[in-house]
Amino acid sequence: QVQLVQSGAEVKNRGASVKVSCKASGYAFTGYFIHWVRQAPGQGLEWMGSINPTSGVTKYAQNFQDRVTMTRDTSINTAYMELTRLRSDDTAVYFCAKRGGSYAFDYWGQGTRVTVSS
Amino acid sequence: QSALTQPPSASGSPGQSVTISCTGTSNDVGYYNYVSWYQQHPGNAPKLIIFEVNERPSGVPDRFSGSKSGNTASLTVTGLQAEDEADYYCSSYTDSRTWVFGTGTKVTVL
Repeated sequence: QVQLVQSGAEVKNRGASVKVSCKASGYAFTGYFIHWVRQAPGQGLEWMGSINPTSGVTKYAQNFQDRVTMTRDTSINTAYMELTRLRSDDTAVYFCAKRGGSYAFDYWGQGTRVTVSS
Repeated sequence: QSALTQPPSASGSPGQSVTISCTGTSNDVGYYNYVSWYQQHPGNAPKLIIFEVNERPSGVPDRFSGSKSGNTASLTVTGLQAEDEADYYCSSYTDSRTWVFGTGTKVTVL
């Protein structure tokens, strides 16, 4: 069965960077885009960007353009999201999600809580 | 890209129906038929319940249905059940090749 398993919770200082991993199994990793979505405490979902696991080509939301880098390692079916220059308002749960055959996210990781402390 | 607009809350008694709206622009909801809906229970990841406006993934009950008119999409839940109490988010692909989510609606089963 399809699974996306993310790395564990992180606590970071302001100005630091965080790198979250998302290991895929149960399907052809290179066949489907991986997206990253975050959710601040008590808030809604926010799309951050995506990566084509085959080519490595990325597309980022404008809000994160200068601070986010999405990469992948096809040898271990894992996608990564790195966010730099962390601020207090980056405190959130970060999800990876697989885009299915349609323009929707059919499987999600369990989420990784990132806390930015001052 | 601004978030799509949803009502903050909606409610209904068991067995009743509830409809949630999702209003965007001609650059997103109105541009493509690529509107999807997600259900999220507290502490859990979102779950896809509708894609391409009105298609249901296998395993999603037919009590959930979607529609779209112009720049506004809607999700209707008929025959409300206790387990339908959750947050619901719409999402749309945009003409900038990005995605945008709605502001979210908390559905309460009275």
